[in-house]
Amino acid sequence: QQQVKQSPQSLIVQKGGISIINCAYENTAFDYFPWYQQFPGKGPALLIAIRPDVSEKKEGRFTISFNKSAKQFSLHIMDSQPGDSATYFCAPNRSTSYGKLTFGQGTILTVHP
Amino acid sequence: NAGVTQTPKFQVLKTGQSMTLQCAQDMNHNSMYWYRQDPGMGLRLIYYSASEGTTDKGEVPNGYNVSRLNKREFSLRLESAAPSQTSVYFCASSEVDEQFFGPGTRLTVL
Repeated sequence: QQQVKQSPQSLIVQKGGISIINCAYENTAFDYFPWYQQFPGKGPALLIAIRPDVSEKKEGRFTISFNKSAKQFSLHIMDSQPGDSATYFCAPNRSTSYGKLTFGQGTILTVHP
Repeated sequence: NAGVTQTPKFQVLKTGQSMTLQCAQDMNHNSMYWYRQDPGMGLRLIYYSASEGTTDKGEVPNGYNVSRLNKREFSLRLESAAPSQTSVYFCASSEVDEQFFGPGTRLTVL
């Protein structure tokens, strides 16, 4: 049961470029749409999240765009930096599900200097 | 404030051996979780505990047991380890939406 599909699996971007990662989901009951960032050897950490009452949220260089009708949301990283090189996971869920997350497969982002 | 701590960091087991992974959080969170991470699979939920005294199965519970010892601690036990359980295990805790993850335990079963 593939509820969450993340793409691309890997992404290589030059410093200063824009990184875009997409997440498609099936469960229309999801009402919380986070992106987690994971550096090698570390646990994931929340990067940015959005709720369906807004279509976009920006925090610094990171933006989430949400398309409810298409059941998709995406992460945009502007002015990508080598320090952004990490694995990114989407993890949509329902607020009533005790925080049980369904993770995407992950996107390995490499930003070249 | 250590957040979520896990022990051990690394472990090598032989097939059939047992072990317990320990997890503790100091954020007074009600909910705690165990995930496993395998290449290309994202993180998959093994068990979770919505509150002290309760535990429930996640997506991949077979071969594992858990104990919510108190509000702070949530342990994961492998009774008879199998090579398919070679993975990186993460513990997490949350109060509302954001989950806070520990540093992980890298387990190899030979």
